[in-house]
Amino acid sequence: DAMVIQNPRYQVTQFGKPVTLSCSQTLNHNVMYWYQQKSSQAPKLLFHYYDKDFNNEADTPDNFQSRRPNTSFCFLDIRSPGLGDAAMYLCATSRDASRYEQYFGPGTRLTVT
Amino acid sequence: AQTVTQSQPEMSVQEAETVTLSCTYDTSESDYYLFWYKQPPSRQMILVIRQEAYKQQNATENRFSVNFQKAAKSFSLKISDSQLGDAAMYFCAYPRYNNDMRFGAGTRLTVKP
Repeated sequence: DAMVIQNPRYQVTQFGKPVTLSCSQTLNHNVMYWYQQKSSQAPKLLFHYYDKDFNNEADTPDNFQSRRPNTSFCFLDIRSPGLGDAAMYLCATSRDASRYEQYFGPGTRLTVT
Repeated sequence: AQTVTQSQPEMSVQEAETVTLSCTYDTSESDYYLFWYKQPPSRQMILVIRQEAYKQQNATENRFSVNFQKAAKSFSLKISDSQLGDAAMYFCAYPRYNNDMRFGAGTRLTVKP
């Protein structure tokens, strides 16, 4: 089945230790998104790629970076995780721009110790 | 501003009964989509139903239907014959022109047996 896959599902890192979360998709969608979701809150968009074009939200901290080496894969790098970065990180894809629904992966729960 | 408001943080329904979740939104656009997403506990977010603003007919997907009032900018979700598996967080969402999906704060639905 076509899907959005996130690895790992659970990640524990130490304060200040860089961590990378990965997302892959078999849907061949043009757009990939990274969201941060804290407990019982709505997802907050960090950035998205339209094909190779990177779009950063204005309030996304510099601590968060992303890479999309090809259509199928997208990575979220957190350079120096703080306790406040502990959250669920959701990857999503959409076929094209703006009006299309997004398909979500299961998420990676990040714990910072 | 394009915002989405869900005024019911929590709702409860008896199994087999009907429940309606409210959503209002603000936009200056005339042509747009609206979505309801479901996020069960510890599971991934999935699309429940989609409404195209230019269509006057309310969308329906099995037990799920919407009451779309474009002039009032209201987009409520009705769940008929509620089942235990319907228990989840429900997010109303508005996809903006620039690939930014705006989510409401969510409504946590509990289904009582």
